[in-house]
Amino acid sequence: QQQVKQSPQSLIVQKGGIPIINCAYENTAFDYFPWYQQFPGKGPALLIAIRPDVSEKKEGRFTISFNKSAKQFSLHIMDSQPGDSATYFCAASSKETSGSRLTFGEGTQLTVNP
Amino acid sequence: NAGVTQTPKFQVLKTGQSMTLQCAQDMNHEYMSWYRQDPGMGLRLIHYSVGAGITDQGEVPNGYNVSRSTTEDFPLRLLSAAPSQTSVYFCASSEGGSNEKLFFGSGTQLSVL
Repeated sequence: QQQVKQSPQSLIVQKGGIPIINCAYENTAFDYFPWYQQFPGKGPALLIAIRPDVSEKKEGRFTISFNKSAKQFSLHIMDSQPGDSATYFCAASSKETSGSRLTFGEGTQLTVNP
Repeated sequence: NAGVTQTPKFQVLKTGQSMTLQCAQDMNHEYMSWYRQDPGMGLRLIHYSVGAGITDQGEVPNGYNVSRSTTEDFPLRLLSAAPSQTSVYFCASSEGGSNEKLFFGSGTQLSVL
């Protein structure tokens, strides 16, 4: 039973495009929503995170949009580059599980073609 | 700082064999956890620890044991390996509290034949 659902499973865009990855969650106790980026052969690394007191957060070319009423959040990558080709995971945690447990989505394999 | 170090990087086991995946962190993090990564299923939590001497089960704990005798080390033991345990295993650590950033190791790719 996946508490965080992620789509699409894979995504191919051209350089300069804006890939969008979506996640939906069920547990209303979740209050921390990070995105992790994983390159082949490496462990995931934190990319950007948001808490539900804001609807949007930007860090460089990466933006999280958050819709609390719909229980959805998404990652947008502006001006995507071939170096952004990686697997992206959304995740969530609650105050109860803070720092010790994350519930991950299924992952999205992004390919940015030159 | 080396961060989170996992050994071995690759391992092949036969069904029924046991082994220990090692994980060590040098950041003095209180929280450590083990995840397995399978295609189309994301990362699923196996066991976690919020401090030395304290461990608890995650989402998929069956067939695995952990212990946390020191802050630095958090080994994962496979008691009797099964083909269903073929996966990539990641160890992670975090400060805990208000800082929820997880630091992951580079993973152990395990095949059980």
